[in-house]
Amino acid sequence: QKEVEQNSGPLSVPEGAIASLNCTYSDRGSQSFFWYRQYSGKSPELIMSIYSNGDKEDGRFTAQLNKASQYVSLLIRDSQPSDSATYLCAVVAGNMLTFGGGTRLMVKP
Amino acid sequence: NAGVTQTPKFRILKIGQSMTLQCTQDMNHNYMYWYRQDPGMGLKLIYYSVGAGITDKGEVPNGYNVSRSTTEDFPLRLELAAPSQTSVYFCASSFDLAGGLLTYEQYFGPGTRLTVT
Repeated sequence: QKEVEQNSGPLSVPEGAIASLNCTYSDRGSQSFFWYRQYSGKSPELIMSIYSNGDKEDGRFTAQLNKASQYVSLLIRDSQPSDSATYLCAVVAGNMLTFGGGTRLMVKP
Repeated sequence: NAGVTQTPKFRILKIGQSMTLQCTQDMNHNYMYWYRQDPGMGLKLIYYSVGAGITDKGEVPNGYNVSRSTTEDFPLRLELAAPSQTSVYFCASSFDLAGGLLTYEQYFGPGTRLTVT
């Protein structure tokens, strides 16, 4: 069983819509959760971190965490073509940061 | 600050050759990491270091070696290149807060694309 699971996509949304990216994890003891954005051919870039249950908002991005369900999500409001990228979910498990395989997001003008 | 820098950007190796991937950070971060990313896959941790002189294995260390003689530099050595080592390699660093609490917020270099044929 993979420790961090994401739907590989692609997830296609029209410009201006809300994109919803989901991630599940297996380690119930995980306390730290991150979302990275990776443009094609580039390195991952940290965009959100979340440590407590609930929502955390930063501009057009909202991270949501539900530890009971072992579920973390990223919402992107007013999606723009420049948001088209692969989004990697990362979870601290066993003192290591474990990455999911990523979800490819395509925002169509 | 340049952040995390990696050299070379691209490299083609023949089977059995050796090479060193260089990684340098200028943020005075104690923690440094090496990952590999295969096409369409997530990142797999190869080795990490919690400070100069201290290194430890990650998830996929076989075929690689590291050293950490300074805070800034964390080179990754491939001794006998194999086709299975064809991948993109990323170096990353992170900082610890006062009291030694690790943030796990990692900052990545631009990557080295390695092909072994």
